[in-house]
Amino acid sequence: AQSVTQLGSHVSVSEGALVLLRCNYSSSVPPYLFWYVQYPNQGLQLLLKYTTGATLVKGINGFEAEFKKSETSFHLTKPSAHMSDAAEYFCAVSGGSNYKLTFGKGTLLTVNP
Amino acid sequence: EAQVTQNPRYLITVTGKKLTVTCSQNMNHEYMSWYRQDPGLGLRQIYYSMNVEVTDKGDVPEGYKVSRKEKRNFPLILESPSPNQTSLYFCATFGRAYEQYFGPGTRLTVT
Repeated sequence: AQSVTQLGSHVSVSEGALVLLRCNYSSSVPPYLFWYVQYPNQGLQLLLKYTTGATLVKGINGFEAEFKKSETSFHLTKPSAHMSDAAEYFCAVSGGSNYKLTFGKGTLLTVNP
Repeated sequence: EAQVTQNPRYLITVTGKKLTVTCSQNMNHEYMSWYRQDPGLGLRQIYYSMNVEVTDKGDVPEGYKVSRKEKRNFPLILESPSPNQTSLYFCATFGRAYEQYFGPGTRLTVT
């Protein structure tokens, strides 16, 4: 069984400020972890993923996430928020061979000028 | 170009009128899946298929059917749609290295 908890359904930051979106997971097998972004009225876009290897993963648009097994976390960060980062972000976990993704409920990021 | 297509993109229908949402991929992937997205609930898996003629239930399969008669297509069938199936639907496919592709989504409204 696997699950994802995203802490904070809505996060608001100022332009230029640090973005931190929190994700904790549970998985009975070694997890694969993903962050997706969804802009209004659009589909899902993969930001980054962790499968194996280096625990600090860099993605598109300046985002990165660190897999911390001891904390069962995969938080998403970006040093400096841009207005174009305003969107909904989803964390997801997959484990085992069935490729099933279990999503968190999402975090809406608002960027204030 | 690697692509997942869904049709229709938007659909308004009435309770009880059977409908099919098509999904097609051009990457020869074995794995395909359907998700629904609802506000505050994220995405939840409806059905998935590991290969042709192999399908299985996800977390919210009630009221849905699927078929996988050929590798590229994985249609989602609502035999008797109800208003609680109003949602945004995504088809997805994964390759062996977890490269993944989502379709553009189908927004369904059942009145």
